[in-house]
Amino acid sequence: DQQVKQNSPSLSVQEGRISILNCDYTNSMFDYFLWYKKYPAEGPTFLISISSIKDKNEDGRFTVFLNKSAKHLSLHIVPSQPGDSAVYFCAATGAGSYQLTFGKGTKLSVIP
Amino acid sequence: EAGVAQSPRYKIIEKRQSVAFWCNPISGHATLYWYQQILGQGPKLLIQFQNNGVVDDSQLPKDRFSAERLKGVDSTLKIQPAKLEDSAVYLCASNRALGDEQFFGPGTRLTVL
Repeated sequence: DQQVKQNSPSLSVQEGRISILNCDYTNSMFDYFLWYKKYPAEGPTFLISISSIKDKNEDGRFTVFLNKSAKHLSLHIVPSQPGDSAVYFCAATGAGSYQLTFGKGTKLSVIP
Repeated sequence: EAGVAQSPRYKIIEKRQSVAFWCNPISGHATLYWYQQILGQGPKLLIQFQNNGVVDDSQLPKDRFSAERLKGVDSTLKIQPAKLEDSAVYLCASNRALGDEQFFGPGTRLTVL
């Protein structure tokens, strides 16, 4: 049973436009959410996170939105750049555990 | 600061053979994790160490997988015997303490033929 779902395997966006990556979760005990970025042949790197007590967290071009009632979060990248092309993983943790549960990832391609 | 080191980067073996992976975490990081990432999936936690003790190995297939972190620093993950479905990237991660950001190594890509 997938507790963290990323239903879009891939997304293509023009350079300069907004990229929106979506993530849904089913476990109501999750209270902390993270986005990781992964380039080929490298390990995932932390990008941005959000606690369940917030509904928005912003860091430069990256903003994560959390809708707890819908059990949904999204990552917005504005403006998108070719260097943002990577696989983005949504991850969640909570219920007294610090273990991460990952989604399957979304491959973002930013077209110059 | 040096990152998480893993070796080898790639390994090809035949089914029923044995294989071992090595991880050296970031200096001073007490917690170490091994993840399995099958193609098209997200990383799945196999085992978590706190110093040289196991915190959680509930998702480790213990009939064939084993891991150790004897001196609380580097760690090895072993598969014996390997099956076709073990083909995956094995990622090692570490953090200074529970709840801190996890830093990942580049992974070892295992292909079982």
